[in-house]
Parts: sequence; C-alpha cells; structure tokens
Amino acid sequence: GAGVSQSPSNKVTEKGKDVELRCDPISGHTALYWYRQSLGQGLEFLIYFQGNSAPDKSGLPSDRFSAERTGGSVSTLTIQRTQQEDSAVYLCASSGRLAGGDEQFFGPGTRLTVL
Amino acid sequence: GEDVEQSLFLSVREGDSSVINCTYTDSSSTYLYWYKQEPGAGLQLLTYIFSNMDMKQDQRLTVLLNKKDKHLSLRIADTQTGDSAIYFCAMGGGGYNKLIFGAGTRLAVHP
Repeated sequence: GAGVSQSPSNKVTEKGKDVELRCDPISGHTALYWYRQSLGQGLEFLIYFQGNSAPDKSGLPSDRFSAERTGGSVSTLTIQRTQQEDSAVYLCASSGRLAGGDEQFFGPGTRLTVL
Repeated sequence: GEDVEQSLFLSVREGDSSVINCTYTDSSSTYLYWYKQEPGAGLQLLTYIFSNMDMKQDQRLTVLLNKKDKHLSLRIADTQTGDSAIYFCAMGGGGYNKLIFGAGTRLAVHP
C-alpha cells in the first residue's frame, strides 16, 4: 500500500488479557518504530528495528511489552497481562531517507482500551 | 534524557499568524521536526530544520531555531480553519533514530 497501515484500529480488552497489535510499514523501508501516545501526552518511544540489527528496546516500559519484526517487514507489538495504564494509542512509523534527514511516516494508530 | 516542552493550547483568529513554541534541553539533536496531527489521523511531517540552520521557510510555514536559547518555533502565516490540529515538535539525531516528541500544542482557529 501507499502508507503505513496498522490493525486493528481499535481494541478493547479486559485487564489481564494479552493483545497483539500489527504494523505494515511502507514497502522498502528498513526502519520501523513503535510509539505510544497517552491522553494529553506526547509520543513516547517504545522500540525500533533497523534492518538486521538488534532492535533498540530502550523505551519498552516493562517486560510485559515485546515486539518482533518478521522478514524485515511486518511488525507485531505484544502486550501481555494488560493493565489499565496500558490504555493509549499505539503508533507505528517507518522511515526512509529524504535529502538531509529522515522522515518517519506514521500509521493511523491502534487505540487500545483496557477495562 | 532529552526533555521537550510545548505549550498545550493556542487559539488564533482566521487570517492571523500562529506561532507555536518549543523548548528543549539536549542540544545534540541533528534534526528538529514539526509534525501535524489532525483528528483521527496519523502524524504528518510538516517541515524540519537541520541544527546548523537558523531559519527555514516553506510557503506559509517559517521555522526559527535559536540554539543558544534551545528554542524552536513554527509560524503559520494566514492561518486557516484547516490548520486546526495538534502540532508536535520532535528532535532526532538524524539517520535511523528514535524521535523525542513534545506533548503537542492544540491549535484552534476561529472566525
């Protein structure tokens, strides 16, 4: 497709359940990022993948969060034993080079609500 | 770590200029970005400035960077109702690097 796509667009789950969020980056982009946007907050970096390098997991808030990227394309963010404070919009971005800098192209996000 | 601050809300009259401000703590960022988020939509890159520049103009948008004061601003000339959105400043090291975002400024344009 033309842009970054994410699924589902909305997810409502019960506290303690596991959820999986999916991101399809722009074809050919080697870098993929996950961010979290809580209500009234800026975007908080979670994790990023670049090619075959080890991912930068420095932003993951706890060991309940994990992500993988299969075949250098699609990525899945998994949250285990969800808590109410996990409720947020999860945004995925992918990047390629533009002259003099990098533009991260963002998907529309997945709104996660933990009841 | 990097801290990026923005005022949360700005209200302007249609046709006036809007100035959205951002301050940051870490001066090592190579690129500074402005993103726009409209309701229900993803973030859209508006413009960016390289850290060795003071100003960049792109049609109705003017970005000013004051490295001494660690202050970044976005000026929107002739603000229109379609400019109503949340504007985020973000900092990055260039290349494939995570971005550090401010909390966003909600711009409301009224007739």
